[in-house]
Amino acid sequence: GENVEQHPSTLSVQEGDSAVIKCTYSDSASNYFPWYKQELGKRPQLIIDIRSNVGEKKDQRIAVTLNKTAKHFSLHITETQPEDSAVYFCAASMTGFQKLVFGTGTRLLVSP
Amino acid sequence: EPEVTQTPSHQVTQMGQEVILRCVPISNHLYFYWYRQILGQKVEFLVSFYNNEISEKSEIFDDQFSVERPDGSNFTLKIRSTKLEDSAMYFCASSVQGVFQPQHFGDGTRLSIL
Repeated sequence: GENVEQHPSTLSVQEGDSAVIKCTYSDSASNYFPWYKQELGKRPQLIIDIRSNVGEKKDQRIAVTLNKTAKHFSLHITETQPEDSAVYFCAASMTGFQKLVFGTGTRLLVSP
Repeated sequence: EPEVTQTPSHQVTQMGQEVILRCVPISNHLYFYWYRQILGQKVEFLVSFYNNEISEKSEIFDDQFSVERPDGSNFTLKIRSTKLEDSAMYFCASSVQGVFQPQHFGDGTRLSIL
């Protein structure tokens, strides 16, 4: 089955810096890749997603890139703010399968 | 903005007892899911449900678990004969369609087995 690896496990940046989180997936049939932000004790919240027919998607300070050949996708956050501090999870799913397979999460800490 | 709602927020149960976790998906959504997250770990898929039947389930979702849509709004997860290792946060999610559609999560039920 699908396996999603995520790096780094923790990431500390200064406010205003950029942050990049990377994920790799194992099954080339995966074609939908969402990113979720989870604050302590809260629900995972979808922040951005990308489909396999698109190489990049941007929403204000957040962007996701997808390299299907290498089977990896990345989350880019620019101009980070303290409120970006949370755990970020990548996920992948395949056509015909509704389940999301999550990565292990990245704890992002943005220091003022 | 419509949300997925879950009750209770916290459930404490003795080992061996049965628990029912409840969810109200977003009203126009057709696909429903249960995930669990053991403290400090990643979110794990349990089961997906569409058109009143299970469409996919994981290895975790064994005979101890069952799901039901008892009426037009609720979606439940039943865990029979609970074990200590069932202690986790259980999230319900829903999506409009099953493919390429965002899954929206509820706030979760923290299940503690004593």
